[in-house]
Amino acid sequence: EIVLTQSPGTLSVSPGERATLSCRASQTVTSNYLAWYQQRPGQPPRLLIYASSSRAAGVPDRFSGSGSGTDFTLTISRLEPEDFAVYYCQQYDISPFTFGPGTKVDIK
Amino acid sequence: EVRLVESGGALVQPGRSLRLSCVTSGFTFDDFAMHWVRQAPGKGLEWVSSVTWNSSKKRYADSVKGRFTISRDNAKNSLFLQMNSLRPEDTAFYYCAKALGGAYFDSWGHGTLVTVSS
Repeated sequence: EIVLTQSPGTLSVSPGERATLSCRASQTVTSNYLAWYQQRPGQPPRLLIYASSSRAAGVPDRFSGSGSGTDFTLTISRLEPEDFAVYYCQQYDISPFTFGPGTKVDIK
Repeated sequence: EVRLVESGGALVQPGRSLRLSCVTSGFTFDDFAMHWVRQAPGKGLEWVSSVTWNSSKKRYADSVKGRFTISRDNAKNSLFLQMNSLRPEDTAFYYCAKALGGAYFDSWGHGTLVTVSS
């Protein structure tokens, strides 16, 4: 099983600032089969990024993904009020298709 | 508009069974693999199970293998999860999710709550 570790656990950021979230895998995620999701309170997750760096339909370009192998990053260039949420990474290379524990982005 | 609507969640005693359903619309159901993902209240996401478009391959998390069975009815655009021998640690919101590119999820339902408690 591929174990995903996300850091930091909580990130306190001011609106308009940049946020950088990390996801590290216990083994290589081949073909960059890594996705990122946003979850707001009381809502289901929303797909942001797939294949490490491809933005999903309708996702603003302030969200970007990068990385390969075992190290991946989600960057939010300028935080908007609606971006304060929990973010999960997920690998879909090998079953079981595991999620990271999440990073909560809250208002500083 | 893609819609996924789960139902069937309830409060049940340990050891009992429950069947979840997910009715979908707005896309060609039998073109896509489908998954169940769960989330214990206040906790993170856990992938539970998946089924290919034609039901030829089904996968399960180790935590539910042998107790849960995934199925689908393409004629009714519906996905199911039969849950047997339920345990308190199965308590969670259960989400139905549509898969792209194998197993990342572009559409989710709003979830149905399963509570396992005596």
